[in-house]
Amino acid sequence: DGGITQSPKYLFRKEGQNVTLSCEQNLNHDAMYWYRQDPGQGLRLIYYSQIVNDFQKGDIAEGYSVSREKKESFPLTVTSAQKNPTAFYLCASISTVVGNSPLHFGNGTRLTVT
Amino acid sequence: AQSVTQLGSHVSVSEGALVLLRCNYSSSVPPYLFWYVQYPNQGLQLLLKYTTGATLVKGINGFEAEFKKSETSFHLTKPSAHMSDAAEYFCAVREDKAAGNKLTFGGGTRVLVKP
Repeated sequence: DGGITQSPKYLFRKEGQNVTLSCEQNLNHDAMYWYRQDPGQGLRLIYYSQIVNDFQKGDIAEGYSVSREKKESFPLTVTSAQKNPTAFYLCASISTVVGNSPLHFGNGTRLTVT
Repeated sequence: AQSVTQLGSHVSVSEGALVLLRCNYSSSVPPYLFWYVQYPNQGLQLLLKYTTGATLVKGINGFEAEFKKSETSFHLTKPSAHMSDAAEYFCAVREDKAAGNKLTFGGGTRVLVKP
């Protein structure tokens, strides 16, 4: 079955370390997204990419970086510059062909930084 | 940029009672609207999506949503709550291609179902 795979499900890091979250999709979707979720704050967009080798900042991009070298993959790096990195991170993708296509989500990675 | 407002961050209903979750959006053109459900420590699952021309949209698990353009609303309902409906629900609007096809989410409504 097609879908989005995020790994790992739980990730623990020490403060000051960079960490990379994996996101892979086999839905043949052009566009991919990273959202951050904090309790009581809904979902906030970090970065998105509509095509390979191109990406744009979302609403809260500071302290994060991404790459889009392959259509299937959109890894997110949480750098030491991110002041409050502990959160639940969700990756999503979408078909841009049909206007009311929904976003498809992975099952998320919970990052804890101490 | 579009915005989405969900009224009420928490809703408590009795099992068998009506579930009503409110969503209002800001858009001057026909929007692409969605409702998602999230269970603890999981991703978001699509409940339903708005289709142009429809006023009542049926989704999975017995949920449906009514689109009212005059009120810029897309409220979600289920006639009879089940214990398994306890989850967090998000309303979202999709931007157009020029804006990156992004989804903007409401703040979410957590539903508690009492036996």
